[in-house]
Amino acid sequence: GESVGLHLPTLSVQEGDNSIINCAYSNSASDYFIWYKQESGKGPQFIIDIRSNMDKRQGQRVTVLLNKTVKHLSLQIAATQPGDSAVYFCAEIYTGGFKTIFGAGTRLFVKA
Amino acid sequence: NAGVTQTPKFRILKIGQSMTLQCTQDMNHNYMYWYRQDPGMGLKLIYYSVGAGITDKGEVPNGYNVSRSTTEDFPLRLELAAPSQTSVYFCASTKDRGSNEKLFFGSGTQLSVL
Repeated sequence: GESVGLHLPTLSVQEGDNSIINCAYSNSASDYFIWYKQESGKGPQFIIDIRSNMDKRQGQRVTVLLNKTVKHLSLQIAATQPGDSAVYFCAEIYTGGFKTIFGAGTRLFVKA
Repeated sequence: NAGVTQTPKFRILKIGQSMTLQCTQDMNHNYMYWYRQDPGMGLKLIYYSVGAGITDKGEVPNGYNVSRSTTEDFPLRLELAAPSQTSVYFCASTKDRGSNEKLFFGSGTQLSVL
């Protein structure tokens, strides 16, 4: 079946460094992508989204890059802080079918 | 606004017992969802609803039932609990589907079936 996967299950970065979390998706029909952040004991929270007609979108300290050619999505976090420690999920959505598929998640550890 | 509220936060069941996981949202969202999250895995859709009175199966509906009598509430029912249903359950809602489908999640219910 179709699935969204992540290249790295865990990522450890030094406080202040930039973090890059990667995601591969398999459904070429997916046209909307979201990154969620899940802190321990909480539900996922929306971070940033990107539509398939874009290849880059920036938020506050976060940037999402989309490469449709290789079906790859990444989340970049600038100047990573201890509060960024969490599990990050990418989600792909095929808007024509109202179907959201979540990846397994990447756990980000931020070392002080 | 409280957002999406789930109760209980934790529950231990014996095999064969039944229970209802409660979910309510105060954002007037039409669309509501139940997901389960197994350790180290992504979220799997159990059931969803596009409005009061309308529900449909997701990827992993077996062993569960739902109802949607009001816009606000979307309870999930486990009739005969099995160890395979040990998981963290998340309820979510969204205002729009498709091109603007940002999900708002509750804080989860951690369920253990022993």
